[in-house]
Amino acid sequence: GAGVSQSPSNKVTEKGKDVELRCDPISGHTALYWYRQSLGQGLEFLIYFQGNSAPDKSGLPSDRFSAERTGGSVSTLTIQRTQQEDSAVYLCASSLGHWDTQYFGPGTRLTVL
Amino acid sequence: AQSVTQLDSQVPVFEEAPVELRCNYSSSVSVYLFWYVQYPNQGLQLLLKYLSGSTLVESINGFEAEFNKSQTSFHLRKPSVHISDTAEYFCAVSEGDSSYKLIFGSGTRLLVRP
Repeated sequence: GAGVSQSPSNKVTEKGKDVELRCDPISGHTALYWYRQSLGQGLEFLIYFQGNSAPDKSGLPSDRFSAERTGGSVSTLTIQRTQQEDSAVYLCASSLGHWDTQYFGPGTRLTVL
Repeated sequence: AQSVTQLDSQVPVFEEAPVELRCNYSSSVSVYLFWYVQYPNQGLQLLLKYLSGSTLVESINGFEAEFNKSQTSFHLRKPSVHISDTAEYFCAVSEGDSSYKLIFGSGTRLLVRP
């Protein structure tokens, strides 16, 4: 079956611009996660959605970062006023429930010039 | 706070040799432990996990890891590696009420040479 998909695969933007990254989880998965993989910080948890519960946003690095999940499926991670330190690969994962294996998408490579 | 340490950033090894990738964690509560693999130009894939029960867990491609609570370790081993095992390996931990939140180590690049 289809796995987690993310778009775009690559995004180059200028400092100060806003970007939106999209994640399509595996159908039927109620839990969705965003992580960031960067050279300086490794793999970091950003945010977690589970069904209709309030998301866990504890990993978001600043208030320039936000995410939403519409209809319990597709999620969008938005970064406002991008900075060079935001350059990283942004990974999305989904799981059936929060106890279950997390399946990762291929990531979006963001480069901020 | 939890943390995961992978001391070796890169491990070069010859084909058919044994390998051990080290992982240590710090946590004061019960933990769940994972190894993920990232092959070149591919996404992260779960290799194996420890949730409870037997402390030795195995993957379908010959890797195994043993949970050692006293040493707070979850080292990954394979008795004989193949060229195709060349990849980056990430150890991860989650705990307690935040079991959904994976905390990753910095990764170990396994480089298998012919």
